Amino acid sequence: IAGITQAPTSQILAAGRRMTLRCTQDMRHNAMYWYRQDLGLGLRLIHYSNTAGTTGKGEVPDGYSVSRANTDDFPLTLASAVPSQTSVYFCASSSTGQQSTDTQYFGPGTRLTVL
Amino acid sequence: GDSVTQMEGPVTLSEEAFLTINCTYTATGYPSLFWYVQYPGEGLQLLLKATKADDKGSNKGFEATYRKETTSFHLEKGSVQVSDSAVYFCALSGRTFGTGTKLQVIP
Repeated sequence: IAGITQAPTSQILAAGRRMTLRCTQDMRHNAMYWYRQDLGLGLRLIHYSNTAGTTGKGEVPDGYSVSRANTDDFPLTLASAVPSQTSVYFCASSSTGQQSTDTQYFGPGTRLTVL
Repeated sequence: GDSVTQMEGPVTLSEEAFLTINCTYTATGYPSLFWYVQYPGEGLQLLLKATKADDKGSNKGFEATYRKETTSFHLEKGSVQVSDSAVYFCALSGRTFGTGTKLQVIP
């Protein structure tokens, strides 16, 4: 059982370039999430999706977009990367999308550096 | 809005020492509370959780009790091991995370 996979593992990107971070889960979870992790700031929610076909904005959505065409995949796109988007990005999923009690399952992360 | 405050790290302990990592929260309603652990180079994984007041979550020797009166969910372990070295995150209803507390256990 793979759980959640993320690709790439790491990436160095020139400012202004477009980049898509991939996330796939095989647990048939309804809800999926994207977080960024920065030193001293912990995890901050970028976007989420409670079910296929729907998405919502988290705490820090600016500069990012997502889509949820099916249950398994939840890509995160940076349309025009900026250095402040240098971070470690984690994708997560949970079974029902009921945030009050759901446990989230995390992928291994993508380390992105924007120069 | 909802928020979580946890103690600053890093915390350095000798093996077999007692561990407490403080976590307090601000929330409306009756949130669930979680502790996640992140080992070096990995994603977060659930350590324990509690879904209502006075519940105690426990796993791998770690415990935390949901205290509504003090809005707290402190993580404790009686005797830490080197393998417990990691970053610990307190979380509120799944989507609001604290800043993390790094624990280093030395032999």
